[in-house]
Amino acid sequence: ELKVEQNPLFLSMQEGKNYTIYCDYSTTSDRLYWYRQDPGKSLESLFVLLSNGAVKQEGRLMASLDTKARLSTLHITAAVHDLSATYFCAGASGTASKLTFGTGTRLQVTL
Amino acid sequence: EAQVTQNPRYLITVTGKKLTVTCSQNMNHEYMSWYRQDPGLGLRQIYYSMNVEVTDKGDVPEGYKVSRKEKRNFPLILESPSPNQTSLYFCASSNRVMEPQHFGDGTRLSIL
Repeated sequence: ELKVEQNPLFLSMQEGKNYTIYCDYSTTSDRLYWYRQDPGKSLESLFVLLSNGAVKQEGRLMASLDTKARLSTLHITAAVHDLSATYFCAGASGTASKLTFGTGTRLQVTL
Repeated sequence: EAQVTQNPRYLITVTGKKLTVTCSQNMNHEYMSWYRQDPGLGLRQIYYSMNVEVTDKGDVPEGYKVSRKEKRNFPLILESPSPNQTSLYFCASSNRVMEPQHFGDGTRLSIL
């Protein structure tokens, strides 16, 4: 059974700094998703990573996938306040229809 | 506008009173799913559906039922709600299982 762990669970960072959120998973997962959730809102898809070595970037966020290490990272470059939200990673194996989410990383960007 | 619509958005009810949360998508998606979100636990999948008349259990299906009689609708049924089903529920859909899901706005259920 796939287990997904994120760390840190909470991250307070200053504007302009860089940081990385880590997503480890327990068994083979060749699909890895990142979602963003603003307080009191729904989830919004950020990235889907489908193969080993995949890297996707949008604005100040960059996600990567290393299937051999069973690790995905979400890197934040020069954080701004608008990036404050909770970020979730989620994995699934092959053609499996079940999606397993991590517990989320609450990111707070301060001035 | 492409969307996943859930109703109701908020509901307070009592133990044992059957309730249904509706979910409808207008994108002709094949895959639909229900999740519950609880503090510190992230999202956990309750049930999912690959297509009409095809449903399967997720990680936490106990106490819930679903049906998929039409492609656009995927209602979540609580036959005899209990307080431990108090949670925030999300419905989601995608065109294929491998694609990112579109989420509804959520339904906050309180079972007293």
